[in-house]
Amino acid sequence: AQTVTQSQPEMSVQEAETVTLSCTYDTSENNYYLFWYKQPPSRQMILVIRQEAYKQQNATENRFSVNFQKAAKSFSLKISDSQLGDTAMYFCAFTILHKGGSEKLVFGKGTKLTVNP
Amino acid sequence: NAGVTQTPKFQVLKTGQSMTLQCAQDMNHNSMYWYRQDPGMGLRLIYYSASEGTTDKGEVPNGYNVSRLNKREFSLRLESAAPSQTSVYFCASELREGSEKLFFGSGTQLSVL
Repeated sequence: AQTVTQSQPEMSVQEAETVTLSCTYDTSENNYYLFWYKQPPSRQMILVIRQEAYKQQNATENRFSVNFQKAAKSFSLKISDSQLGDTAMYFCAFTILHKGGSEKLVFGKGTKLTVNP
Repeated sequence: NAGVTQTPKFQVLKTGQSMTLQCAQDMNHNSMYWYRQDPGMGLRLIYYSASEGTTDKGEVPNGYNVSRLNKREFSLRLESAAPSQTSVYFCASELREGSEKLFFGSGTQLSVL
């Protein structure tokens, strides 16, 4: 079975500083997508960033970037210039790609990030 | 454009009662999903519908049934609620199975006493 592990249940960071959230996954497959989702107190699930496993270049979205280490099966999220609005639960997830489509998203247990003023 | 709409947002049930969670999307998506979220457990897939007319079990289907009423609507039914079903339930949709971008509803907080 595919698994996703987020080893940091809670983290905190000062406003304007940089924080890195860890994620490791376990799969024997070669083609897959990796994701980071943000869930603020409003409960809404918001896609932050996505990485295709076949791409060596790390994905970036404004202040959010990933460090994708395929051999190590590691997919960390870096948030630069942290803002109070970044306070949320962050979920790492991945899905396996097949010829006919994909398997369903597997989520980690989440990391609760608090940005302090 | 409302996206994915779930009703109700909150519900309290007594053990043994039944209820249906409603979900509708207005993005013409083919695939729809029901997840449950429990503290420290992340999101787990209950059921999904890859396209209109099909439904399949996910990771935790026991105690639930689903209906893909049409392309827009995908409901989740608890026939006899149990305290173990206390959770936050999320509906999600994507353009097609494997398009890799899920759109989520705002969730239903369900408490079973």
